[in-house]
Amino acid sequence: GAGVSQSPSNKVTEKGKDVELRCDPISGHTALYWYRQSLGQGLEFLIYFQGNSAPDKSGLPSDRFSAERTGGSVSTLTIQRTQQEDSAVYLCASSLGLVATDTQYFGPGTRLTVL
Amino acid sequence: QQQVKQSPQSLIVQKGGISIINCAYENTAFDYFPWYQQFPGKGPALLIAIRPDVSEKKEGRFTISFNKSAKQFSLHIMDSQPGDSATYFCAASSSWDSGSARQLTFGSGTQLTVLP
Repeated sequence: GAGVSQSPSNKVTEKGKDVELRCDPISGHTALYWYRQSLGQGLEFLIYFQGNSAPDKSGLPSDRFSAERTGGSVSTLTIQRTQQEDSAVYLCASSLGLVATDTQYFGPGTRLTVL
Repeated sequence: QQQVKQSPQSLIVQKGGISIINCAYENTAFDYFPWYQQFPGKGPALLIAIRPDVSEKKEGRFTISFNKSAKQFSLHIMDSQPGDSATYFCAASSSWDSGSARQLTFGSGTQLTVLP
């Protein structure tokens, strides 16, 4: 079956512009996560959605970052007024969401470059 | 408290050798420790995972060793192959911290190169 897909694969934008990154999770997965991977760094948790519950936004670095998940499936991560330090690979993952240790399956990521 | 420290940053091993990557954590609430493998241009993929009720888990050439008292765990890759060349991340999560029960806290990664 299809894995987690993300679009676009690459995004180049100018400082101050808004960007939207999209994630299509694996069908049937109720949990969805966004992580950020900066060059040479590990993955940094951003936000977590579980079913219809309120999202865990504890990892969002600033109020310029927001995310939504429509219909319990597709998710969009929005970064407003992008800054150069936002340049990174943004990874989406999904899991069954039944237990905390369900395997998280990652998409290929969106590489964001802010000029 | 939430950090997972990983070493070494990079590792070069000859084909057939043993690759060892180490991680240490502080948060005693962590109770799930997966290792992820990432190839260039791809997302990380789960390689192997362990719970703290066992000290070792082996799957093929990959073994996790876990030392609960030292709060350390390591990945051993036996008979390393050029195809194992990738970046490896350790991670940890907690089933008890309801606020962030399912998020993974990742180490900084180890870039493994296996020479033919």
